[in-house]
Amino acid sequence: DTAVSQTPKYLVTQMGNDKSIKCEQNLGHDTMYWYKQDSKKFLKIMFSYNNKELIINETVPNRFSPKSPDKAHLNLHINSLELGDSAVYFCASSAEGEAFFGQGTRLTVV
Amino acid sequence: AQSVTQLDSHVSVSEGTPVLLRCNYSSSYSPSLFWYVQHPNKGLQLLLKYTSAATLVKGINGFEAEFKKSETSFHLTKPSAHMSDAAEYFCVVSQHNTDKLIFGTGTRLQVFP
Repeated sequence: DTAVSQTPKYLVTQMGNDKSIKCEQNLGHDTMYWYKQDSKKFLKIMFSYNNKELIINETVPNRFSPKSPDKAHLNLHINSLELGDSAVYFCASSAEGEAFFGQGTRLTVV
Repeated sequence: AQSVTQLDSHVSVSEGTPVLLRCNYSSSYSPSLFWYVQHPNKGLQLLLKYTSAATLVKGINGFEAEFKKSETSFHLTKPSAHMSDAAEYFCVVSQHNTDKLIFGTGTRLQVFP
């Protein structure tokens, strides 16, 4: 079983659309994250949730809204997509300082 | 604030030769340090972690890293490179008192036959 799974794996959409990426972890971790990896492979944290509560919110445009219906899920909704949102988005969960990452969602905005 | 600097954006080695990927950290506190590997079009996998126990940390796939406080370094090494080691490697520090991971800019390792 995949520990951290995110869907879809690839997402191609037009500017201005709204899209969601889903993430689920079956590790029983309390903390989940969204990271963004740009075209230069640079990884930066976007959000962190602990037991459904927002802990970290980096300077991310408010078009990005995470939602955690329960501690095993952390979904990412993006409104009014822009070209600059094209990137690979990674979901992760962690316990005791060790993070487990999903396979990533490659978002391409055209 | 904590940060990590990966000194080489690209490293190329021949199969069977040693690998050295360099990382320096900056931290006001005793840091938790990690190395993650990302194979092409894949997610990130933890190679090893240092959390103030032994300074020489052994990880998966024959990799190891040594925490050197005097040099503020946490370099990743492997005695003999394999073709399957070709990937992007990230040095990571955990922000003090949080689970927030701060990534270095990555080092792309190429392995030639």
